[in-house]
Amino acid sequence: ELKVEQNPLFLSMQEGKNYTIYCNYSTTSDRLYWYRQDPGKSLESLFVLLSNGAVKQEGRLMASLDTKARLSTLHITAAVHDLSATYFCAPSPSFGAGSYQLTFGKGTKLSVIP
Amino acid sequence: EAQVTQNPRYLITVTGKKLTVTCSQNMNHEYMSWYRQDPGLGLRQIYYSMNVEVTDKGDVPEGYKVSRKEKRNFPLILESPSPNQTSLYFCASSFLGQGSYEQYFGPGTRLTVT
Repeated sequence: ELKVEQNPLFLSMQEGKNYTIYCNYSTTSDRLYWYRQDPGKSLESLFVLLSNGAVKQEGRLMASLDTKARLSTLHITAAVHDLSATYFCAPSPSFGAGSYQLTFGKGTKLSVIP
Repeated sequence: EAQVTQNPRYLITVTGKKLTVTCSQNMNHEYMSWYRQDPGLGLRQIYYSMNVEVTDKGDVPEGYKVSRKEKRNFPLILESPSPNQTSLYFCASSFLGQGSYEQYFGPGTRLTVT
């Protein structure tokens, strides 16, 4: 059974600061997805990481994937208030396991304070 | 416009009264899925479908039914709703080409069972 752990679950940070959100998962998976959820809204795809060593950047957010360590990080650079949201990670199902179930992390609620 | 639609968006019902939440996508996606989101528990998969007539259980299938008779539709059925099924429900779909599971989410259905 795939377990996905995100840390921290709550993050309050000042504008202009840097921080990293971690996503650890328990079984082999070669892809990982990050999603963003604004308060009261649905989830939107943020990053698709397709292989070991993949790095994607959009604005002040950068995501990376280390499949050997079963770890993905979401790095925030010089945070701004607009980044306040909840961020979820979800590894792809492990092929060959016979299940195509998707497991999400519990989410990291980010609040950026002026 | 490519989208996933859900209806209704809000529903208040009573214990034991059967209900159906509809989900439809216009992107010709093979994979469709239902999730529930609860505070502190994150996003949990209820059921998923790899294609027409192919469905399987997610993490929390008890008390729910699904069917996939057409590729575009994936309704969620609660035959005898109970208060512990009060939650925010999301439908999502993804194209499975090249092994991608990037989810496109619907707007959500907020269900209250009294």
